Amino acid sequence: KQEVTQIPAALSVPEGENLVLNCSFTDSAIYNLQWFRQDPGKGLTSLLLIQSSQREQTSGRLNASLDKSSGRSTLYIAASQPGDSATYLCAVFNDYKLSFGAGTTVTVRA
Amino acid sequence: SQTIHQWPATLVQPVGSPLSLECTVEGTSNPNLYWYRQAAGRGLQLLFYSVGIGQISSEVPQNLSASRPQDRQFILSSKKLLLSDSGFYLCASDRVGSINTGELFFGEGSRLTVL
Repeated sequence: KQEVTQIPAALSVPEGENLVLNCSFTDSAIYNLQWFRQDPGKGLTSLLLIQSSQREQTSGRLNASLDKSSGRSTLYIAASQPGDSATYLCAVFNDYKLSFGAGTTVTVRA
Repeated sequence: SQTIHQWPATLVQPVGSPLSLECTVEGTSNPNLYWYRQAAGRGLQLLFYSVGIGQISSEVPQNLSASRPQDRQFILSSKKLLLSDSGFYLCASDRVGSINTGELFFGEGSRLTVL
């Protein structure tokens, strides 16, 4: 059974600081890995998708890396802003489904 | 792009009452569809997934059932709700029409409170 772990569970930083969110998974036979953002009481917004053959993906201030062999992914958010405050979820896709971590709740202080 | 509609958005139901949550998908065809539950302070748990009409796979034994009467419609049901069924229910669909990357897109969710 795939287990996904996210560290840290919560993070508070001043505006402008770079964010580093970590994700690890136990079964490296994944099809892809996704990072999502969830605002309180809302659904999930897809941020980045990394295929199993890729090492990283970038979108604006966001960059995600994938090391499939070691079962790790890292999401970097550059120059954080208060609007980046949310819960960030990592999920890996195999066997027709996504398995999620518990998330990292980020607070960016103005 | 595609749009995933879920309703109702919020629901308060007594223990023992029935449940029906509906999810419909626009902008795609023959998607794989998923129901996830997010309980307070916990991660997302996959409840059901469907690869086609009438095809339902259950991930965990529980008080809920799912049905897919049409290609882009996915329904989550219960005959008698339990307190433990409270949570935030999310429907998800993958992108089709091109190479299936496995990327999932989520609806805005249905918040269920069982009293």
